Amino acid sequence: AQTVTQSQPEMSVQEAETVTLSCTYDTSESDYYLFWYKQPPSRQMILVIRQEAYKQQNATENRFSVNFQKAAKSFSLKISDSQLGDAAMYFCASYNFNKFYFGSGTKLNVKP
Amino acid sequence: GAVVSQHPSWVICKSGTSVKIECRSLDFQATTMFWYRQFPKQSLMLMATSNEGSKATYEQGVEKDKFLINHASLTLSTLTVTSAHPEDSSFYICSATPGTGARDTEAFFGQGTRLTVV
Repeated sequence: AQTVTQSQPEMSVQEAETVTLSCTYDTSESDYYLFWYKQPPSRQMILVIRQEAYKQQNATENRFSVNFQKAAKSFSLKISDSQLGDAAMYFCASYNFNKFYFGSGTKLNVKP
Repeated sequence: GAVVSQHPSWVICKSGTSVKIECRSLDFQATTMFWYRQFPKQSLMLMATSNEGSKATYEQGVEKDKFLINHASLTLSTLTVTSAHPEDSSFYICSATPGTGARDTEAFFGQGTRLTVV
């Protein structure tokens, strides 16, 4: 089985500042996908960003970018110019063999 | 993005009764649907994986007879909590993946169902 570890239960960032959320994973496979999902208070899971393991280039989506270190099995999420609406739980996830594995989540607080 | 609709959003039921939760993919065919349970301030715990037309695959520790999953069509999966007890109270989330192309590696989530058993 795969495991996904998020070592930061909670983080805070000042509005307009940059924050990085950490994620490590464990897999023996060479072909897999990694995701960051956001869960706001409404509890609707929202895809933030996706990375294919075979791609060396880090994925970016507007203010969100990842630092994918395949050898280190690390997949961190950087949020630039943080906004109040970014406050939520963030889950790192891996996908392989038709199954998603989720980390324990990081609660992000954004201070005005 | 694709839309997954989960119904109801919240339900209260009496202990000993059964509750059915529906998960529909509105604009794509979902070959695989997942059912999760989420406790407060915790991550999503995978309960089972269902493929259209076949029996669901349950995760270890999940009671098959209590949590009945049916994936009768490519757009609908249901989770029935049978003989519900207060300890079954939780937030249940479904997700669905399309079956073709690169999109099948993305999970689209329903809005979740808050079940309270009294």
